[in-house]
Amino acid sequence: GAVVSQHPSWVICKSGTSVKIECRSLDFQATTMFWYRQFPKQSLMLMATSNEGSKATYEQGVEKDKFLINHASLTLSTLTVTSAHPEDSSFYICSPLPSRGHHYGYTFGSGTRLTVV
Amino acid sequence: TQLLEQSPQFLSIQEGENLTVYCNSSSVFSSLQWYRQEPGEGPVLLVTVVTGGEVKKLKRLTFQFGDARKDSSLHITAAQPGDTGLYLCAGGASANNDMRFGAGTRLTVKP
Repeated sequence: GAVVSQHPSWVICKSGTSVKIECRSLDFQATTMFWYRQFPKQSLMLMATSNEGSKATYEQGVEKDKFLINHASLTLSTLTVTSAHPEDSSFYICSPLPSRGHHYGYTFGSGTRLTVV
Repeated sequence: TQLLEQSPQFLSIQEGENLTVYCNSSSVFSSLQWYRQEPGEGPVLLVTVVTGGEVKKLKRLTFQFGDARKDSSLHITAAQPGDTGLYLCAGGASANNDMRFGAGTRLTVKP
């Protein structure tokens, strides 16, 4: 599978500040990146899909102005949580669309645990 | 609501026991995947099933895809403490190729 690097692994920030999470595909060009959020003891929920060179598409209930996604290159997608609140505390995970199609399985970043205090 | 229903949600067993986890949907999937996730890490792919009725084995793990490609099962034989983790099934939900996950089964294998 693809090699995906996600950074940072964990971050603690104060309410009202912004946090940027980076996701890099190291061994292939990812035209599409999926961003998931996972609350404790729950499954992964798709937040948004970023496409290189175009606007991201957001799932229902996800505020696009709060979760800014930038996919400016084929190897880097970023998710910025703006004006973070404690309820934004969660585990954020990225996954690029496999170049050979989804039948071959997805590779995920190692995740970013965000804690907003 | 989850597109994929997983059961059971929680399972705690003794080492050496067998178990089966189920993943059901009213939708047909072109493929369905099983992942295992450990705390603080991203999910790791275990298997992809594509053909209706397909059975795949991965050591002590047996995966089956339903004939109608709407459901799947994961059977673990002689579970070991190292099998402990969150097991997730996932299927393609749209032409966008994004994966939708089941709620997961949290397995604990006690030594």
